[in-house]
Amino acid sequence: DAMVIQNPRYQVTQFGKPVTLSCSQTLNHNVMYWYQQKSSQAPKLLFHYYDKDFNNEADTPDNFQSRRPNTSFCFLDIRSPGLGDAAMYLCATSNQGGGSTDTQYFGPGTRLTVL
Amino acid sequence: KQEVTQIPAALSVPEGENLVLNCSFTDSAIYNLQWFRQDPGKGLTSLLLIQSSQREQTSGRLNASLDKSSGRSTLYIAASQPGDSATYLCAGGARYKLSFGAGTTVTVRA
Repeated sequence: DAMVIQNPRYQVTQFGKPVTLSCSQTLNHNVMYWYQQKSSQAPKLLFHYYDKDFNNEADTPDNFQSRRPNTSFCFLDIRSPGLGDAAMYLCATSNQGGGSTDTQYFGPGTRLTVL
Repeated sequence: KQEVTQIPAALSVPEGENLVLNCSFTDSAIYNLQWFRQDPGKGLTSLLLIQSSQREQTSGRLNASLDKSSGRSTLYIAASQPGDSATYLCAGGARYKLSFGAGTTVTVRA
């Protein structure tokens, strides 16, 4: 089945130690998103890629970076995680063009714990 | 900036009762309005998407309406079942830039 895959599902890191979260998709969608969701809160958009075009949200901290080396993969890098960065990180995809509806398809998420 | 609100935060109903979930948004110039389901500790599953030019969408027991003039969307779930227990989130905004509500957590009692 076509899907959005996130690895790892659970990540534990130490305060200040860089961490990378991975997202891959078999949907061949041209748009990929990263969201941060803290406990019992709404998901918050961090940034998205339209193909290779990177779009950062104005209030996304500089500590968060992203890479999209090809259509299938997208990475979230947290350069110096703080305790406040502990959250669920959700990757999503959508397709633009060809009669698509812009429905977003989400992966299962990576839960990040910062010690 | 689009602000999305969902009230109530939690809802408990007996099995078989119809569910009505509310969503309000501040900017009527939305590109589309999407409803998602989230099970505990999991990602989001898309339920329905309503384009800005549409008034409603239906899928099985689910029906969602959109009223841009009043800044409201409603998700109806007919004849609720225990398997419908989850958190339901709505999201709207510009294309590629969804703003989410915090969700309504639904418990359907058997």
